Amino acid sequence: ETGVTQTPRHLVMGMTNKKSLKCEQHLGHNAMYWYKQSAKKPLELMFVYNFKEQTENNSVPSRFSPECPNSSHLFLHLHTLQPEDSALYLCASSLEGLAEDNEQFFGPGTRLTVL
Amino acid sequence: AQSVTQLGSHVSVSEGALVLLRCNYSSSVPPYLFWYVQYPNQGLQLLLKYTSAATLVKGINGFEAEFKKSETSFHLTKPSAHMSDAAEYFCAATPGTGTASKLTFGTGTRLQVTL
Repeated sequence: ETGVTQTPRHLVMGMTNKKSLKCEQHLGHNAMYWYKQSAKKPLELMFVYNFKEQTENNSVPSRFSPECPNSSHLFLHLHTLQPEDSALYLCASSLEGLAEDNEQFFGPGTRLTVL
Repeated sequence: AQSVTQLGSHVSVSEGALVLLRCNYSSSVPPYLFWYVQYPNQGLQLLLKYTSAATLVKGINGFEAEFKKSETSFHLTKPSAHMSDAAEYFCAATPGTGTASKLTFGTGTRLQVTL
């Protein structure tokens, strides 16, 4: 595997379900990100992890719970979601350092539908 | 606060015609600027980036962009569109000083290429 992978690619869940999204990067990066992409809205940064430590939580509701056990893996645990949470969830990684080197590499995303 | 504006949510061009996708940024300090492309059912892929070296930046697939500080713009161009260029294009910015992991995205422009 190369680059940034995400599983599952598609997920349908009910509002009372608990599920998790997984992201893995094979690039040797030390920063990982979760974004939410909804129709007709800019990409929304949700969380940032740098060397496994959360450095940004962009006022995300607590029904989204991130976990970063190491620099290569990132999870997004979901529980009691709402229909408006349906979106494409994108994971990205980068080599954290000077801004000019901050190219983020994106995974293919998980298309989430909340019924 | 930094913001990125992409004029035109949809742009349609004929195959072989010039592609021009507009991006303006709002920042007190010139930021680093990026163009990403997203093909259907895929994540974002970096096309090119401006990091205060040359103001005319060449990227992949024949795309280029010019940073114009006086106009606070970073428009993306390609001399001759190809059918395979049909995708959604995102302009993004990150603060131009120090370390930075926060990309601010525009709302995206969907490029349609017709025969």
